[in-house]
Amino acid sequence: AQKITQTQPGMFVQEKEAVTLDCTYDTSDPSYGLFWYKQPSSGEMIFLIYQGSYDQQNATEGRYSLNFQKARKSANLVISASQLGDSAMYFCATLWAGGTSYGKLTFGQGTILTVHP
Amino acid sequence: DTGVSQDPRHKITKRGQNVTFRCDPISEHNRLYWYRQTLGQGPEFLTYFQNEAQLEKSRLLSDRFSAERPKGSFSTLEIQRTEQGDSAMYLCASSRGRDQYFGPGTRLLVL
Repeated sequence: AQKITQTQPGMFVQEKEAVTLDCTYDTSDPSYGLFWYKQPSSGEMIFLIYQGSYDQQNATEGRYSLNFQKARKSANLVISASQLGDSAMYFCATLWAGGTSYGKLTFGQGTILTVHP
Repeated sequence: DTGVSQDPRHKITKRGQNVTFRCDPISEHNRLYWYRQTLGQGPEFLTYFQNEAQLEKSRLLSDRFSAERPKGSFSTLEIQRTEQGDSAMYLCASSRGRDQYFGPGTRLLVL
């Protein structure tokens, strides 16, 4: 079974600083994908970034980058130049690309990020 | 560009009542997912449709829950004889490929 662990219930960062949100996963499947989503207080899940298990380079999307360490089974999200609007809940999720479960996302517990001015 | 929409956004009901939620996916997306999210937790998978076929159901989906996707377009999620434990956010997502796009969710409160 897929398992995602986010060990930081809450994180604080100063505006314009960088912050790293941790995510580790447990899977025996060689083919999988890792996602990060942002959930503001309004409730909608916003897709941020994706990393495939076979991707050689770390994914980047604007101010978001993913620090993918396959051997350690970690996929940490790095947000550079934090903005007040980044304050939200952040979820790491995995997608198993095999069997009949294709498409089912398994989410971690989430990390609440608060950006201070 | 219209995203995933869900209706209603909020629902308050009394224990024992039936409720039905609707999800309208992005028009060209053939896959549709329902998730449930309780306070302080990540979303948990409930069920998945490819076109009109329901291909997978979680064990979380008890026999009081039923989901449909007639004609492979919008989907409905019905909860019969609601219980207080059903209080949660119900999220719908759709996809055409790898990335799932989520709707704003329906917040259910069972009194």
